[in-house]
Amino acid sequence: EPEVTQTPSHQVTQMGQEVILRCVPISNHLYFYWYRQILGQKVEFLVSFYNNEISEKSEIFDDQFSVERPDGSNFTLKIRSTKLEDSAMYFCASSEPQTGPGEQFFGPGTRLTVL
Amino acid sequence: GENVEQHPSTLSVQEGDSAVIKCTYSDSASNYFPWYKQELGKRPQLIIDIRSNVGEKKDQRIAVTLNKTAKHFSLHITETQPEDSAVYFCAASIGASKIIFGSGTRLSIRP
Repeated sequence: EPEVTQTPSHQVTQMGQEVILRCVPISNHLYFYWYRQILGQKVEFLVSFYNNEISEKSEIFDDQFSVERPDGSNFTLKIRSTKLEDSAMYFCASSEPQTGPGEQFFGPGTRLTVL
Repeated sequence: GENVEQHPSTLSVQEGDSAVIKCTYSDSASNYFPWYKQELGKRPQLIIDIRSNVGEKKDQRIAVTLNKTAKHFSLHITETQPEDSAVYFCAASIGASKIIFGSGTRLSIRP
């Protein structure tokens, strides 16, 4: 069964450094998403991406964040200058092309630790 | 913006009993309501979902009900088993571009 994959599984970085989190969505999916989950808290929507552009973004997704689909398979989240409070689990998700909402398939997550 | 409230935050039930988790949403335009189960250190996994044109949906021991007028939806798990222990999240979305999650319910099944 196809799955969303994410790399790396754990990223440790120094405050102020740039990080890029990588995701490979399921191949025939057209909607892509990033979420974050601070330890012990709820899953928070960051951004959705469709047809090579941002479809919607949350208040969390400020100018420090950007997303890109650099080729036909990868979907990346970049954090330009990391802060301590960016430490969290970051989940990528994708969903099938539909006329309405449908199941989002989550990747295993990247645990980001900012020191 | 859309907000989803979820109760209770923790729930402990005897094995074999039923568990009920309740959620309310704020935006009446929400039309899709998934429920996710998350085990410790793992990704959220969809267990059941319901669309706004349906009032109830059942899949074996799991059922979800939706009251659009009251903007409430609930998850019911019957005949609970130890493997049901996890954190459960409700969510609501308008269209395909955004899902807002509730704060989660930690369900523990007592043997």
